[in-house]
Amino acid sequence: EAGVTQFPSHSVIEKGQTVTLRCDPISGHDNLYWYRRVMGKEIKFLLHFVKESKQDESGMPNNRFLAERTGGTYSTLKVQPAELEDSGVYFCASSQDFGLSAYEQYFGPGTRLTVT
Amino acid sequence: DQQVKQNSPSLSVQEGRISILNCDYTNSMFDYFLWYKKYPAEGPTFLISISSIKDKNEDGRFTVFLNKSAKHLSLHIVPSQPGDSAVYFCAASEVLQGAQKLVFGQGTRLTINP
Repeated sequence: EAGVTQFPSHSVIEKGQTVTLRCDPISGHDNLYWYRRVMGKEIKFLLHFVKESKQDESGMPNNRFLAERTGGTYSTLKVQPAELEDSGVYFCASSQDFGLSAYEQYFGPGTRLTVT
Repeated sequence: DQQVKQNSPSLSVQEGRISILNCDYTNSMFDYFLWYKKYPAEGPTFLISISSIKDKNEDGRFTVFLNKSAKHLSLHIVPSQPGDSAVYFCAASEVLQGAQKLVFGQGTRLTINP
């Protein structure tokens, strides 16, 4: 079974440009999450999708960030316009429906975003 | 406001000995705790978890202990092996109205010396 995949693995853009990150969750996982790790600090929650619905987007930094999950499969995270402080590693994770042993989230390899 | 804290940024242990990684939390609403292992340039890999209604969970060489009164959990690895060298993250799960989020500690870099 394929794990969570993310594309691209690394993106370097200039301040003011737009970048779109993609995440493909584990097949059959309704829950999809985005997290971010900045400057080697702790990994921080951004938002949670259940299928195509945003269940919690309390961690999104500001309105320059837009996440979508059309059709309840893959998700995209767009940053527009990018700022220097947006640099970091963006992780996507997925999990099954909540139930017995359903709290584990499985992470992708991350996208390293560098804004210059 | 750090709700999950790993106060040791690094730990060095000799191969074959026990590694003990610690984690403290402040939010009593957390109902599930997880440990993740992370190698450079990879995403966190799920290792072991524990429900807040238990005080111990064991899986092979890995055991997690939870002390709810002290709001403290620890991960024991015994015996430690060179392949265990990685950054370990403690995470706490909070579920509110059908939405789950993991709150992570800063991580502890574990180095196993031969």
